[in-house]
Amino acid sequence: DTGVSQDPRHKITKRGQNVTFRCDPISEHNRLYWYRQTLGQGPEFLTYFQNEAQLEKSRLLSDRFSAERPKGSFSTLEIQRTEQGDSAMYLCASSSDKTAETQYFGPGTRLLVL
Amino acid sequence: AQKITQTQPGMFVQEKEAVTLDCTYDTSDPSYGLFWYKQPSSGEMIFLIYQGSYDQQNATEGRYSLNFQKARKSANLVISASQLGDSAMYFCAMRGINAGNNRKLIWGLGTSLAVNP
Repeated sequence: DTGVSQDPRHKITKRGQNVTFRCDPISEHNRLYWYRQTLGQGPEFLTYFQNEAQLEKSRLLSDRFSAERPKGSFSTLEIQRTEQGDSAMYLCASSSDKTAETQYFGPGTRLLVL
Repeated sequence: AQKITQTQPGMFVQEKEAVTLDCTYDTSDPSYGLFWYKQPSSGEMIFLIYQGSYDQQNATEGRYSLNFQKARKSANLVISASQLGDSAMYFCAMRGINAGNNRKLIWGLGTSLAVNP
């Protein structure tokens, strides 16, 4: 039984570069979520997919951020023209009706923008 | 608007003792779910326990129990027989049920728990 996986676990990049993160949800989970967590804070919601449809995006998700979930399986989160303020932990979670919609999280991707 | 408040930035407990982590919430949704997660220093968010707003009994899961007081809008986590491995950040979170497409979790700021040997 594999859980949610995320790749890479750590990413260091220079300001202005583009980065892409990947999330593989628990198989058969039809819902997938992205959150961002900065130091000393709780996670903040970024976006949510049901199957391949992106149903909600936070106002935190500026036009530099884009997320996709082709074929309703894995998802990618891309940040273009990174800024130092993008430095954070990016968490992915998945859920299904069978688990009472409990969201199970991956290990996260720590991003550091220099 | 939904809001989660965790008023204890840090807590200490002796190994094998019980500890209560506080959580209060605010919501206008008639149905909602309350969650507790544990986040060790590695960063992974680990699901601990869930309480639905219409559940008649308080949720329990091994050493974890949720003291749910709906009228007070509180959902405190009780950890019994603390272990050194319980040292971590603990987050309370909430989401509406049957809230259409809105499935996001709203989070508190967390409580850092340190278990002393």
